[in-house]
Amino acid sequence: EVQLQQSGAELVKPGASVKLSCKTSGYTFSNYYMSWLKQMPGQNIEWIGNIYGGNGGTGYNQKFKGKATLTVDKSSSTAYMDLSSLTSEDSAVYFCARNEWGYWYFDFWGPGTMVTVSS
Amino acid sequence: IQLTQSPSLLSASVGDRVTLSCKGSQNINNYLAWYQQKLGEAPKLLIYNTNSLQTGIPSRFSGSGSGTDYTLTISSLQPEDVATYFCYQYNNGLTFGSGTKLEIK
Repeated sequence: EVQLQQSGAELVKPGASVKLSCKTSGYTFSNYYMSWLKQMPGQNIEWIGNIYGGNGGTGYNQKFKGKATLTVDKSSSTAYMDLSSLTSEDSAVYFCARNEWGYWYFDFWGPGTMVTVSS
Repeated sequence: IQLTQSPSLLSASVGDRVTLSCKGSQNINNYLAWYQQKLGEAPKLLIYNTNSLQTGIPSRFSGSGSGTDYTLTISSLQPEDVATYFCYQYNNGLTFGSGTKLEIK
């Protein structure tokens, strides 16, 4: 059974950074991309970027370059996203979601991590 | 590509046939998917490539369309279908629509 398990909710101060995790099981991690997506209340879901489990190659939405950094640990089949210089505009639920190489729809999603940026 | 979903809110009765619309600002070339998101949960893939039903999704869900105009149809609405439905295009960039919230009347 495919599972994507995300880290818990975060409360962080403005200007700080946070690292979110997405631990996977039930499939071959290196054969899939992992994307990260942002959902704010009342706003469209946004694709942040993705990383290929096989070689760590990344692609980013231009809007999130400099804000998000994606990495993987193949040994633990875990994907990570670092968010830096946080502001209130970064308060959102962040999802990890996988897609197969060559297919750009996301077939399994993690439950999401809520990030709240507040002093 | 911008996606416009309509209506933003839909109220229907159990057993009704329900149709949700998604219109792109440019040709999507059938690279369109539909997701269902229940309150507090992650989105679930229902349909990909316009009309392919994801494994495990009930057959009352179907997708159709071409060019810029796409539709998600629920043939007989069930209480568990209460959710927000998003369309998502992956033809040119990756973008989601704003969603249609589906309620039971």
